[in-house]
Amino acid sequence: GAVVSQHPSWVICKSGTSVKIECRSLDFQATTMFWYRQFPKQSLMLMATSNEGSKATYEQGVEKDKFLINHASLTLSTLTVTSAHPEDSSFYICSAERRGEQFFGPGTRLTVL
Amino acid sequence: QKEVEQNSGPLSVPEGAIASLNCTYSDRGSQSFFWYRQYSGKSPELIMFIYSNGDKEDGRFTAQLNKASQYVSLLIRDSQPSDSATYLCAVRLTTGGGNKLTFGTGTQLKVEL
Repeated sequence: GAVVSQHPSWVICKSGTSVKIECRSLDFQATTMFWYRQFPKQSLMLMATSNEGSKATYEQGVEKDKFLINHASLTLSTLTVTSAHPEDSSFYICSAERRGEQFFGPGTRLTVL
Repeated sequence: QKEVEQNSGPLSVPEGAIASLNCTYSDRGSQSFFWYRQYSGKSPELIMFIYSNGDKEDGRFTAQLNKASQYVSLLIRDSQPSDSATYLCAVRLTTGGGNKLTFGTGTQLKVEL
């Protein structure tokens, strides 16, 4: 199978702090990973495409300085939400690509107080 | 016009019936089409994908694609209460968009006893 993990599964933080979310492909190498955000009752919205060894490609309207993405190895991509605000509270989901298919991690629920 | 459109539902079907989920897309150059199931609070899981016009069957699931009408559907036979979830249609756009997926807003399916 193709297993993708995320850590943490949930996090609560204070407004103004930064939060790092990890996405790992456990049994395969992923040159490309994707980061999505999903608000309640809404669909997945792609935030950025993370490519190993190069800068991430952000979707229109996503602030690259606020959502820092690092894809340092073929099995790990990280998303750091900097200076988090309550409106950043959401369900963050990563996916890793293998042979053209995307395999999703279990998601991280972020709550900013 | 949204790139990928789905009726939000809820679609209610009795146990054992056929559930029919529909999706339309706007980009005529779309190459690949995916159906994901998402349980509340969980990340999406891939049910099946289809590339070519016609039907593709996998167990109780059948995906149907009509590129001329820009329409893709998912049929679930012998619906079970465990099939109750939100079903997301995703489209991989033209090759110029890389391997990004664009998701519809999802259709909520309720299978009633």
